[in-house]
Amino acid sequence: DAGVTQSPTHLIKTRGQQVTLRCSPKSGHDTVSWYQQALGQGPQFIFQYYEEEERQRGNFPDRFSGHQFPNYSSELNVNALLLGDSALYLCASYLQGAGGAFFGQGTRLTVV
Amino acid sequence: QKEVEQDPGPLSVPEGAIVSLNCTYSNSAFQYFMWYRQYSRKGPELLMYTYSSGNKEDGRFTAQVDKSSKYISLFIRDSQPSDSATYLCAPGVGGSARQLTFGSGTQLTVLP
Repeated sequence: DAGVTQSPTHLIKTRGQQVTLRCSPKSGHDTVSWYQQALGQGPQFIFQYYEEEERQRGNFPDRFSGHQFPNYSSELNVNALLLGDSALYLCASYLQGAGGAFFGQGTRLTVV
Repeated sequence: QKEVEQDPGPLSVPEGAIVSLNCTYSNSAFQYFMWYRQYSRKGPELLMYTYSSGNKEDGRFTAQVDKSSKYISLFIRDSQPSDSATYLCAPGVGGSARQLTFGSGTQLTVLP
């Protein structure tokens, strides 16, 4: 049973550029959440997608946007990258109404 | 004040010791309580998932939730060097939101 998979694993971008990160949820899961984890900190909730709609959003600017596809996979897009966007981006999936959230290995984004 | 406070450590114990990891929180709406283990440069791994107050045991791990005092604990019995990692508490709101608020993590080292 494949767990949550994310791609790419590492990424280096220049300030001002745009980036797209991808996530495939665990088999049987229908909900995807994205988190940002700065070095030495706990993950911070960005937003959650269920039934192809953004359902909840954390305290992140509109530069952060996402999408969920009919197969439940998801993308996180970040526009106009800032140096402060450098972090580990984590995708978590779960089944609505049941169980805990399972995380992928993350995408480490470095903005230079 | 952060919604979730967690002792950052670092915490160093000898192999075989009982480890106690703790968090306090301020949001009364939290209903789900999760503990994650995160190895360096990896995604968080779900260890324990509990709903509302009480105890839950899984092998060497026991999670305790006291909603009246807003206190969450994770106990590790017979600790092993492979338990060396950062431990994150993550309470979440109920319903369809399942938005987790993470503590900053406690770094644990189990010495052989």
